[in-house]
Amino acid sequence: DGGITQSPKYLFRKEGQNVTLSCEQNLNHDAMYWYRQDPGQGLRLIYYSQIVNDFQKGDIAEGYSVSREKKESFPLTVTSAQKNPTAFYLCASSLQLLAELSYEQYFGPGTRLTVT
Amino acid sequence: EDQVTQSPEALRLQEGESSSLNCSYTVSGLRGLFWYRQDPGKGPEFLFTLYSAGEEKEKERLKATLTKKESFLHITAPKPEDSATYLCAGGATNKLIFGTGTLLAVQP
Repeated sequence: DGGITQSPKYLFRKEGQNVTLSCEQNLNHDAMYWYRQDPGQGLRLIYYSQIVNDFQKGDIAEGYSVSREKKESFPLTVTSAQKNPTAFYLCASSLQLLAELSYEQYFGPGTRLTVT
Repeated sequence: EDQVTQSPEALRLQEGESSSLNCSYTVSGLRGLFWYRQDPGKGPEFLFTLYSAGEEKEKERLKATLTKKESFLHITAPKPEDSATYLCAGGATNKLIFGTGTLLAVQP
């Protein structure tokens, strides 16, 4: 079955530690995204990538970093510089990322990160 | 500023009681309007894409429509398994802009 996997489902970290969230897709999609979801707020875009070895900051990139070394993988690192890291993190992918047209994005199951 | 607003925030229906969810958008050069369903603790599940005013799409008890300013998700004769949060998103340059969702509860 094609889809997006995220691991782990739950993650607990102490404040001051960096943590990396995994995202893998086997949909052969070019574009991948990271969002965070907080209660009462819409999904907010952290980073996105149109192709391998290229990625762009989204609306709330501060305190986060990403890499795109393979088409299938787009890991997100939450650094100690992120002031409020506790949230539900969602990875998504889409066929392409075009300027004139948006394609539907397919989401993974999410990772709930708790930092204390 | 691009924005997507959903109403109501929460909706409680009796099984079989049809209703509509609203999504108003102000997205410059809208590049598509998307509807998702999200169950608690899970990722959003894609439902529909609408690209042009007047376009309609249906899936089981759900029908999505689009005008130049808003989109509606019509739910006909809902069942308890339709209970979820429904998210609307507008396609902007290089991203989707999400609303905060409508939490739908369908009681048997």
